Amino acid sequence: TQLLEQSPQFLSIQEGENLTVYCNSSSVFSSLQWYRQEPGEGPVLLVTVVTGGEVKKLKRLTFQFGDARKDSSLHITAAQPGDTGLYLCAGFTGANSKLTFGKGITLSVRP
Amino acid sequence: DTGVSQNPRHKITKRGQNVTFRCDPISEHNRLYWYRQTLGQGPEFLTYFQNEAQLEKSRLLSDRFSAERPKGSFSTLEIQRTEQGDSAMYLCASSLLSGETQYFGPGTRLLVL
Repeated sequence: TQLLEQSPQFLSIQEGENLTVYCNSSSVFSSLQWYRQEPGEGPVLLVTVVTGGEVKKLKRLTFQFGDARKDSSLHITAAQPGDTGLYLCAGFTGANSKLTFGKGITLSVRP
Repeated sequence: DTGVSQNPRHKITKRGQNVTFRCDPISEHNRLYWYRQTLGQGPEFLTYFQNEAQLEKSRLLSDRFSAERPKGSFSTLEIQRTEQGDSAMYLCASSLLSGETQYFGPGTRLLVL
């Protein structure tokens, strides 16, 4: 069974602070996705990382895929209240075409 | 492109009733997926279609659940004889043939009383 563990589970920070959250697994994935989900809505895709060691930037968000393609991190610079939400990572292996999700990280950014 | 749409957005039903949800994928996407998400958890895979063929079903999909995609476009997910444990958010996603980048709809939140 492939498991993705996300940490920390909850994070509450002040506007303007930086943060890094993690997504770890013992399994190798061919790609990994990060989504953000707001209450009562579906997950919205932020990024897909494919190559080991790959770094992708999306405005103030920086995503990194581990060299062994087992883990990933998300760094947010100068967090804003609009960044508040549930951040989900999901691994894809291709063999069975499904995404395996972690439980998510609940981020709250206080004004 | 209007993205993935799902109807209804909310459904309240009594235990034992049947419910049906609809998903309309992004128009050029061959693959369509159903996931279920309960409080405090990430989405869990239920089943997926490539065009009209249902290619995989999770063990989570009991015999009370059935999904169809008759013309390879929209899909329906039916739950028969609902139980309180079926209360969850049901999410639909679609993708191109590669499958790795999946776009989700807004979900249907089901509450079984």
